[in-house]
Amino acid sequence: QVQLVESGGGVVQPGRSLRLSCEASGFTFSSYGMHWVRQAPGKGLEWVAIIWDDGRNQYYADSVKDRFSIFRDNSKNTLYLQMDSLRAEDTAVYYCARGTSNLRYWGQGTLVTVSS
Amino acid sequence: EIVLTQSPGTLSLSPGERATLSCRASQSVRNNYLAWYQQKVGQAPRLLIYDASTRVIGIPDRFSGSGSGTDFTLTISRLEAEDFAVYYCQQYVTSPRALTFGGGTKVEIK
Repeated sequence: QVQLVESGGGVVQPGRSLRLSCEASGFTFSSYGMHWVRQAPGKGLEWVAIIWDDGRNQYYADSVKDRFSIFRDNSKNTLYLQMDSLRAEDTAVYYCARGTSNLRYWGQGTLVTVSS
Repeated sequence: EIVLTQSPGTLSLSPGERATLSCRASQSVRNNYLAWYQQKVGQAPRLLIYDASTRVIGIPDRFSGSGSGTDFTLTISRLEAEDFAVYYCQQYVTSPRALTFGGGTKVEIK
């Protein structure tokens, strides 16, 4: 069955960097676009970024553009989110999700806390 | 950017009652590219409906989606205990370059 497992979350100081990973299994990873979606504590869902199946195109929400990078290693069935210049407002649970349009499969999420 | 506004923010109902949730878009959602998700506390969202009215396999038929253009509705015909959760709409007209979610409607037990 389809599984998405995020890792890499934790507590980080403002201005520092963190890299999240999402390990995929149960489907042909290289055939699907992948997203990162986040949810601040007690808030709604916010789309963060998408990468196409072949990794050639990436798009970002304005709130993270120029600070976050989404990339993938199809040989390792793994999706990544490199987060630089982190701010307090980036504190959230980060989910990876499969799909280009509607998101049928989600991981369980990893919590990122940006605090001094 | 397409902005999605969900109403009401909170819906207080009893088990067995009908729930009607609204999602309004700031511009027309072409091809009815709209999805609905359910999220329970501490869990990831679950896709219920896509293309405005197509139910995902395994989702009970008490969940139905309708609408077109800028106005969409998720209806839960008879609420069961496990349906009390937060529901989000999401548009994918702008896919694969961007997605947007509505702010959510919480369905709580009255």
